[in-house]
Amino acid sequence: GQQLNQSPQSMFIQEGEDVSMNCTSSSIFNTWLWYKQDPGEGPVLLIALYKAGELTSNGRLTAQFGITRKDSFLNISASIPSDVGIYFCAGLYTGANSKLTFGKGITLSVRP
Amino acid sequence: DTEVTQTPKHLVMGMTNKKSLKCEQHMGHRAMYWYKQKAKKPPELMFVYSYEKLSINESVPSRFSPECPNSSLLNLHLHALQPEDSALYLCASSQVGGKDGYTFGSGTRLTVV
Repeated sequence: GQQLNQSPQSMFIQEGEDVSMNCTSSSIFNTWLWYKQDPGEGPVLLIALYKAGELTSNGRLTAQFGITRKDSFLNISASIPSDVGIYFCAGLYTGANSKLTFGKGITLSVRP
Repeated sequence: DTEVTQTPKHLVMGMTNKKSLKCEQHMGHRAMYWYKQKAKKPPELMFVYSYEKLSINESVPSRFSPECPNSSLLNLHLHALQPEDSALYLCASSQVGGKDGYTFGSGTRLTVV
């Protein structure tokens, strides 16, 4: 089946630093999504990307849909303690019986 | 209303019990999903409902029985579960086809004893 590669499993950064996360796939998607999950909560959608090459921002977050449609990255600038959590990338090929495919997630820790 | 509401938030059940998880959304989404999530793992798809009809069953054991009584509600009936079924159960909804992404609820933390 389709797999998304997210690595490393954990990242540790200092408050105020920028961080970049990458996600690659063996398959093409026409939608890339980035979610953040806090402990005991469901994933929350951060950014959605719909077009190859698209660059989208949401506050301190910036994400890009790769030109090949097989990758995406998420940047967080000027990190703050509440950025702590698990970040999942997810790919979707929209249409009948579409299924969201998740990456394994990256656990981000921010040191004050 | 941009939320998916799941109840209960926590559930402890014995292996002989029957219980149900409930999910509700009022965003007009006609696709609804059940996911299972183990600690430090991504959510795993269990079932997909599209226009209130079951469209995908990811080979889930029959001790899990989904139901979609109307376009706003999704239930997951549980019977004779095993301890390894303990997990966070997430409900999500979207437009049919997934455009604009999936909106997830906060989940039900299920413990089977």
